[in-house]
Amino acid sequence: ELKVEQNPLFLSMQEGKNYTIYCNYSTTSDRLYWYRQDPGKSLESLFVLLSNGAVKQEGRLMASLDTKARLSTLHITAAVHDLSATYFCAVTPNTGNQFYFGTGTSLTVIP
Amino acid sequence: DAGITQSPRHKVTETGTPVTLRCHQTENHRYMYWYRQDPGHGLRLIHYSYGVKDTDKGEVSDGYSVSRSKTEDFLLTLESATSSQTSVYFCAIRTTSGNIYNEQFFGPGTRLTVL
Repeated sequence: ELKVEQNPLFLSMQEGKNYTIYCNYSTTSDRLYWYRQDPGKSLESLFVLLSNGAVKQEGRLMASLDTKARLSTLHITAAVHDLSATYFCAVTPNTGNQFYFGTGTSLTVIP
Repeated sequence: DAGITQSPRHKVTETGTPVTLRCHQTENHRYMYWYRQDPGHGLRLIHYSYGVKDTDKGEVSDGYSVSRSKTEDFLLTLESATSSQTSVYFCAIRTTSGNIYNEQFFGPGTRLTVL
């Protein structure tokens, strides 16, 4: 059974602080996705990581992928309130058409 | 927003009644997906389609059926709704040919309550 585990599940952090969300997965995959979901809304694509060592950055968010360790990280730099949301990672196996999601990390940034 | 709409957006129904949710896309994508989202579970795949009349099961397909008679429409049917099917349902498309990212883009969701 393919598993995608995120931690932490809940994260409360102060504005201006840094933190990292971790995503571990149990299948061979060269393709990992990060999404953001605001309360009551749909999922919005943040990053697509396509190969080992891939790093993508957008504003205060930076995502990286280590396919050998089957680990992706989403690093938050100098958090601001607008980053409060739930973040999901997802993988798709190298063979197959399905996407498997982590349970999500609920991030609250406190002023 | 990849031109994805879902209908209805909200529905309340009673146990034992049939329910059909519709996903409509305007960009001719081959792959379409149905997920359910529940607290503590993230998104879980119900069924997906890789072409007209071509569908396959996901990890939580029991109690659900799907149909795709046209490229643009992917229907999810609960033959006899149960309270455990109360959830938020998301449709998604996946970009392919020519797009190396094979990204998924999601519809706005349907909130279903089964009483």
